[in-house]
Amino acid sequence: EAEVAQSPRYKITEKSQAVAFWCDPISGHATLYWYRQILGQGPELLVQFQDESVVDDSQLPKDRFSAERLKGVDSTLKIQPAELGDSAMYLCASSLGQAGEVEAFFGQGTRLTVV
Amino acid sequence: DAKTTQPPSMDCAEGRAANLPCNHSTISGNEYVYWYRQIHSQGPQYIIHGLKNNETNEMASLIITEDRKSSTLILPHATLRDTAVYYCIVRVKAAGNKLTFGGGTRVLVKP
Repeated sequence: EAEVAQSPRYKITEKSQAVAFWCDPISGHATLYWYRQILGQGPELLVQFQDESVVDDSQLPKDRFSAERLKGVDSTLKIQPAELGDSAMYLCASSLGQAGEVEAFFGQGTRLTVV
Repeated sequence: DAKTTQPPSMDCAEGRAANLPCNHSTISGNEYVYWYRQIHSQGPQYIIHGLKNNETNEMASLIITEDRKSSTLILPHATLRDTAVYYCIVRVKAAGNKLTFGGGTRVLVKP
């Protein structure tokens, strides 16, 4: 069964350092989402791509976060510099992005701890 | 997307049916009810969705009231592996439409 792949699975970084997460969506999925989930809360959308274009980044802290999906396939989310409050699970999801097939499939996530 | 209200937690007995309620009193005519669940330390998993008719698949059943203001997710024979946080989400079924998660219901299945 096709899955959304994320790496690394766990990351510990010191505050003020740079950190990056990688996501490979299910093949053929045009829509890709990055979510952040703080412990005990539901996931919150950070950024959404349609192919290589950003369609929603209203909740992305753009002073320190960036995301790209250069060829419309895999994607990278970067934080620079990391802050203690960035400790969370970072989830990637993808969907076909076509009418009638909008269910999103999530990866296992990257758990970030900033010390 | 319309807002949903779910109880923060509930327990159920292994082997019994688990009935998870969700209120969505401001739902619009073109909005679907989606259910996802998240087992500890994993990404959310799609369960089922529906518009106004009851739906059933291999995982669960979805019962939507006639006025569509509330719904119930039914896990027919809960197992310990069904222990998870269950999210009820209302959204338009359109290409690229995002999922907006609330707090969900933390379900604990007890032996």
